[in-house]
Amino acid sequence: KTQVEQSPQSLVVRQGENCVLQCNYSVTPDNHLRWFKQDTGKGLVSLTVLVDQKDKTSNGRYSATLDKDAKHSTLHITATLLDDTATYICVVGDRGSALGRLHFGAGTQLIVIP
Amino acid sequence: EAAVTQSPRNKVTVTGGNVTLSCRQTNSHNYMYWYRQDTGHGLRLIHYSYGAGNLQIGDVPDGYKATRTTQEDFFLLLELASPSQTSLYFCASSDRAGNSDYTFGSGTRLLVI
Repeated sequence: KTQVEQSPQSLVVRQGENCVLQCNYSVTPDNHLRWFKQDTGKGLVSLTVLVDQKDKTSNGRYSATLDKDAKHSTLHITATLLDDTATYICVVGDRGSALGRLHFGAGTQLIVIP
Repeated sequence: EAAVTQSPRNKVTVTGGNVTLSCRQTNSHNYMYWYRQDTGHGLRLIHYSYGAGNLQIGDVPDGYKATRTTQEDFFLLLELASPSQTSLYFCASSDRAGNSDYTFGSGTRLLVI
């Protein structure tokens, strides 16, 4: 059973527009949540990590929220650029220790058009 | 620059063939991981290791062996490759499991025909 669900599956936006990606999960316990960016044919690059019960982070044009009560996270991308075209993957870590496992979503494919 | 390097980038083999995927990290990390990525699925953990000589079974280990020869090197072995193992394979390293940062390699695309 999939424990990390991302929506939408794919998204097309025009350059300069904002977009929001969603992540819902059922992983328990939920120690932390991380968003990765994966360019086509490349590895995963970490964008941000959220840890607190209700957390917010900001990294340039990327901002993210986490609500552990709702088991829900969002990734906001502001003023999109063509280079933002990629797959964005939500990952939930069930512990903050050597016993922990990462639970990966299937990703949201974002396409930014001129 | 700290990195995770995978080789080969692409590999084609026949059913029943023997394949070794290589991964080297220069991060001085203790933990290394092998994942596979398939369309419609999140990354799935095959095997992982806490250090040289250590091996732990992941969530989808069937048909795979792994060996960690040094702190830097982690290998994934497919001794009798099957078409179901056609996938994109990623290696990653971290300094400790948990919420520490992960470094991923660029992936190896394997096609079993």
